Amino acid sequence: DAKTTQPPSMDCAEGRAANLPCNHSTISGNEYVYWYRQIHSQGPQYIIHGLKNNETNEMASLIITEDRKSSTLILPHATLRDTAVYYCIVRVINNNDMRFGAGTRLTVKP
Amino acid sequence: GAVVSQHPSWVICKSGTSVKIECRSLDFQATTMFWYRQFPKQSLMLMATSNEGSKATYEQGVEKDKFLINHASLTLSTLTVTSAHPEDSSFYICSAVPDNQPQHFGDGTRLSIL
Repeated sequence: DAKTTQPPSMDCAEGRAANLPCNHSTISGNEYVYWYRQIHSQGPQYIIHGLKNNETNEMASLIITEDRKSSTLILPHATLRDTAVYYCIVRVINNNDMRFGAGTRLTVKP
Repeated sequence: GAVVSQHPSWVICKSGTSVKIECRSLDFQATTMFWYRQFPKQSLMLMATSNEGSKATYEQGVEKDKFLINHASLTLSTLTVTSAHPEDSSFYICSAVPDNQPQHFGDGTRLSIL
């Protein structure tokens, strides 16, 4: 599976957009980009996933570069409850065993 | 939406005892479930894949005789930590995949061995 690289930590002001980057330069054509987050002492929560087109849902937007070597998760209006570790995972869609890297610890500050 | 439930959420027990953790898919059937372990300040590590009606598949370095997995029905997988010791203290998380949906995770079980 393609390896992902994320910054270890980021801060964001409450109410502002949080932009979390992820590099996956060795991604294959059949691999999707998944984003999960883990709030302290809870199980991971699915956020969004995509193949090559940008995606948006009620939680976030996913922007994937045209060469698919990187992506950005956007939380449009971060709240204190968005403080969590965010994981970017690259996986073939039928391979269900998600492998987690270190992720990015996002801290939303008032 | 699809829900994965774990029980118990927190357990403390004495060294040498065995502890069973349940993982249930509440509104869907899951032929496959996954068990993860997470130590403090670390990421989740996949321990094993639980397969309904057959033996679990363990990741390299995970002792299958230490971590017994049973997936007897399409909605229940159990993880038993046998002869638990303090180094087995960790956060154990299960997950399952509903049809045409991404993987859903339980809220985890915090195991503390005294």
